[in-house]
Amino acid sequence: SQELEQSPQSLIVQEGKNLTINCTSSKTLYGLYWYKQKYGEGLIFLMMLQKGGEEKSHEKITAKLDEKKQQSSLHITASQPSHAGIYLCGADKSSGTYKYIFGTGTRLKVLA
Amino acid sequence: ETGVTQTPRHLVMGMTNKKSLKCEQHLGHNAMYWYKQSAKKPLELMFVYNFKEQTENNSVPSRFSPECPNSSHLFLHLHTLQPEDSALYLCASSYRGGEGQQYFGPGTRLTVT
Repeated sequence: SQELEQSPQSLIVQEGKNLTINCTSSKTLYGLYWYKQKYGEGLIFLMMLQKGGEEKSHEKITAKLDEKKQQSSLHITASQPSHAGIYLCGADKSSGTYKYIFGTGTRLKVLA
Repeated sequence: ETGVTQTPRHLVMGMTNKKSLKCEQHLGHNAMYWYKQSAKKPLELMFVYNFKEQTENNSVPSRFSPECPNSSHLFLHLHTLQPEDSALYLCASSYRGGEGQQYFGPGTRLTVT
């Protein structure tokens, strides 16, 4: 069964627009990670969130984790073509058990 | 460059062949992972090695056989695969198993004919 739900599955935006990607779990997560993947390549780490209510930013990307640690959002401000790719959320289901799970990803295309 | 390399990048093999995938990390990490990524499915964790010891086998068929001779190298030996095993196989490493961000290699695109 799908344990991390990502939405939307795909997104096409005009350059300069803001966008948000969501990641939802039915259970409390120990840690939440955001990665970016270029098609057919490996994942590049973006951010890690561990505390309920935590928010982190890097350049134009902001990630948040809700208080219950079951939902996270990734927000991109003023999108650029370089932001295009597949965004995946991943999570530790519990501490120290190697039970890593991932969402199916959100494919982002940014039109110049 | 993430510090994790994988070879080969592409592999086509018949169902009766035997081949191996190789992963190497130069980050001083103690944990290494194999993942399978198929179209429209979540990334699936296959195996985890922590300090060279296998700590996770996620119900993977025996036609996939991992080997971790040291903390820097990880292999995935393949034999008598099925067409549904065609996928992108990703290797990752982390400082400690079970926590923290993982560093991923570029993957091996495997096609089973």
